Amino acid sequence: GIQVEQSPPDLILQEGANSTLRCNFSDSVNNLQWFHQNPWGQLINLFYIPSGTKQNGRLSATTVATERYSLLYISSSQTTDSGVYFCAPGGGADGLTFGKGTHLIIQP
Amino acid sequence: EAGVVQSPRYKIIEKKQPVAFWCNPISGHNTLYWYLQNLGQGPELLIRYENEEAVDDSQLPKDRFSAERLKGVDSTLKIQPAELGDSAVYLCASSPDPYSEQFFGPGTRLTVL
Repeated sequence: GIQVEQSPPDLILQEGANSTLRCNFSDSVNNLQWFHQNPWGQLINLFYIPSGTKQNGRLSATTVATERYSLLYISSSQTTDSGVYFCAPGGGADGLTFGKGTHLIIQP
Repeated sequence: EAGVVQSPRYKIIEKKQPVAFWCNPISGHNTLYWYLQNLGQGPELLIRYENEEAVDDSQLPKDRFSAERLKGVDSTLKIQPAELGDSAVYLCASSPDPYSEQFFGPGTRLTVL
């Protein structure tokens, strides 16, 4: 199956800081999603991004499928951005394969 | 539009007891997934349904786990008998088809004592 590596595993930032989260994956995929898991465990969809670049407010994501990586950018961090961010490539017959996540803490 | 609905949200049982989880996907979504999330890990796929057919259940421990999706809408995941190691969050997700964006329910947190 697909191997997924997310970095960094943990990140502590002050409110207002910017950050970049990285996801490397081992095989070509049909789908790649980024999720934010909030403190109550709900997985919130951030981006569906098999390739290219998308932006949504303070968040943006880029996937370079040919080089098998994806980046999630968070600008002007807020305390509500805290939680675990998961990258999940895959789709098709195999479903999504999740990385171990990046645990982000935004301090006021 | 309603999201994926799961119940119960929490379940505490004694080991060796049976337990069942229910999922109602987003209306019109033909593909339904069950994932397992252990503490500190990302979710892992257990089974995928296309309408009422289980098309990928290779990761489902079939000696004690079973699932069904009658009529191609709601789904039930069952464990019988439960073991201590089954304590985890069980997540249901749905998508229009296997290649589209997946949406997750809130999960059922199972504790086996």
